[in-house]
Amino acid sequence: KAGVTQTPRYLIKTRGQQVTLSCSPISGHRSVSWYQQTPGQGLQFLFEYFSETQRNKGNFPGRFSGRQFSNSRSEMNVSTLELGDSALYLCASKMETYEQYFGPGTRLTVT
Amino acid sequence: LAKTTQPISMDSYEGQEVNITCSHNNIATNDYITWHQQFPSQGPRFIIQGYKTKVTNEVASLFIPADRKSSTLSLPRVSLSDTAVYYCLDTGGFKTIFGAGTRLFVKA
Repeated sequence: KAGVTQTPRYLIKTRGQQVTLSCSPISGHRSVSWYQQTPGQGLQFLFEYFSETQRNKGNFPGRFSGRQFSNSRSEMNVSTLELGDSALYLCASKMETYEQYFGPGTRLTVT
Repeated sequence: LAKTTQPISMDSYEGQEVNITCSHNNIATNDYITWHQQFPSQGPRFIIQGYKTKVTNEVASLFIPADRKSSTLSLPRVSLSDTAVYYCLDTGGFKTIFGAGTRLFVKA
């Protein structure tokens, strides 16, 4: 069974630009969560989608948004990028149990 | 805010058994206790999960006392490749909160 995939793996953007990251969950998993990981703040929860609906949201500004498609694939968008948005962005998928499977992450660098 | 508390770092030597303890002071009745392992620049990897008592798999053992306010991850005979950050979590509901994790450094 294929794992969680994320594209792109690496990305460099400049301040003020916007970016879209993609996540394909494990087949059959309907829940997709997004996390931001930085050296200073650790792993922080962004939001979770289930059956195309956002079920929960972390404490991030509105510049961070996401969506989920009918095939459970999810995208995360960050608008008006700031230097502090440089991070590893991880998505994780799961079925109804609590065992989450993480993807390899997208390394975003904002210059 | 993280719901769990664990040591920031631990050192060990190859071949030793390592026990990492976590406090789950606010665990909900329906929450499970889950441990993940993370290597640099990779996503966390699920290690083990339990509700109470003891769970063992091919990688680790998890000990959870009756009050469920703590858990202990036991890694038998660690090797250099077990050097990583280990996270304990209360998992349930829709939001999974990661703490700072425990950085385990295995020395030769």
